[in-house]
Amino acid sequence: NAGVTQTPKFQVLKTGQSMTLQCAQDMNHNSMYWYRQDPGMGLRLIYYSASEGTTDKGEVPNGYNVSRLNKREFSLRLESAAPSQTSVYFCASSDPSGQGYNEQFFGPGTRLTVL
Amino acid sequence: SQQGEEDPQALSIQEGENATMNCSYKTSINNLQWYRQNSGRGLVHLILIRSNEREKHSGRLRVTLDTSKKSSSLLITASRAADTASYFCATDGNDYKLSFGAGTTVTVRA
Repeated sequence: NAGVTQTPKFQVLKTGQSMTLQCAQDMNHNSMYWYRQDPGMGLRLIYYSASEGTTDKGEVPNGYNVSRLNKREFSLRLESAAPSQTSVYFCASSDPSGQGYNEQFFGPGTRLTVL
Repeated sequence: SQQGEEDPQALSIQEGENATMNCSYKTSINNLQWYRQNSGRGLVHLILIRSNEREKHSGRLRVTLDTSKKSSSLLITASRAADTASYFCATDGNDYKLSFGAGTTVTVRA
């Protein structure tokens, strides 16, 4: 099993450009998450999808959109990138209803720089 | 806003010594989890302690939870170079979301 995969690993954008970060999991998890990690700030939740067909805002959703394409895939879109969105982005998945607790499994991250 | 806050922010110890880090949180929780992040990698789950538990062990890891003080500690005994990483606590309020602290960076010197 590959677990949680993310593409791309690295990306450089110019201000105003758009891009989509892709995430897929092969653990049959119902819930998926997008976080950003900035130095000294831990992980902040951008959006999450508790189950296929639902998405909800997290702590820092402004400037982002998400799509839960199917049970396996959850993408994050930046419509008009800004330098403040320079960060490392992590996707995670979990099965809280099945496990009884929310242990999350993380992808390797996408390092995004916006110039 | 982040629920958990770790203390200290950074810790440097000699191989073989113990490392202790603390986490404080603000609201009631269902459970508290600890994760490790090696440089440039994603987070990996280490251990979970439920709100009705006071102490839990897993290998060289010992976690305590004091719900009256809203705090938890992670002890790594007999540290090794491979324990060099950042450690994060995460609180689970049973709402499909985890809230992570800013982390403690641990450096184990040979």
